[in-house]
Amino acid sequence: DGGITQSPKYLFRKEGQNVTLSCEQNLNHDAMYWYRQDPGQGLRLIYYSQIVNDFQKGDIAEGYSVSREKKESFPLTVTSAQKNPTAFYLCASREGAGGYTFGSGTRLTVV
Amino acid sequence: AQSVSQHNHHVILSEAASLELGCNYSYGGTVNLFWYVQYPGQHLQLLLKYFSGDPLVKGIKGFEAEFIKSKFSFNLRKPSVQWSDTAEYFCAVNARGTYKYIFGTGTRLKVLA
Repeated sequence: DGGITQSPKYLFRKEGQNVTLSCEQNLNHDAMYWYRQDPGQGLRLIYYSQIVNDFQKGDIAEGYSVSREKKESFPLTVTSAQKNPTAFYLCASREGAGGYTFGSGTRLTVV
Repeated sequence: AQSVSQHNHHVILSEAASLELGCNYSYGGTVNLFWYVQYPGQHLQLLLKYFSGDPLVKGIKGFEAEFIKSKFSFNLRKPSVQWSDTAEYFCAVNARGTYKYIFGTGTRLKVLA
């Protein structure tokens, strides 16, 4: 079945460490997105990529970085510069003007 | 700048009650509109979408939404809710021709059996 795979499901990180969240899709979608979901704040866009080797900052890109070397993959790195990284991270993809397909998310906790 | 407002943050209903969740957006151009649902422990799923045509759109599981352009609204409705509708509901807006979506803050619905 086509879909988006995010791994790991739960991730713990020590303060000061960088961590990379994986997002892989086999839907052949061009556009991919990273959102952060916090209670009461909905989904906020971190980064998005319309095509391979190209990406744009979203509304809350500070402290995050991404790459898009392959169409299927859009990893997100949460750097030590992100002041409040504990959150639920969602990856999504989209083809054309249609709705998103979401992954199941990664819950990151900084300890 | 675009924004999406969901007025009800928490809604509690009894089974068989009717549901209406509000969604208003601010954007002067043409938009695509979406409602997503997140059931407990599951990932976000598309409930329904509006691109053009009949402003009353029907989605999965008996949900429908009406686009009222003059009010910049896209309210979600269901005539009779079930316990299994307990979830968080998100409205989203996409300015036509762009890749960016804006999500509302979500509405947590709890349906009492």
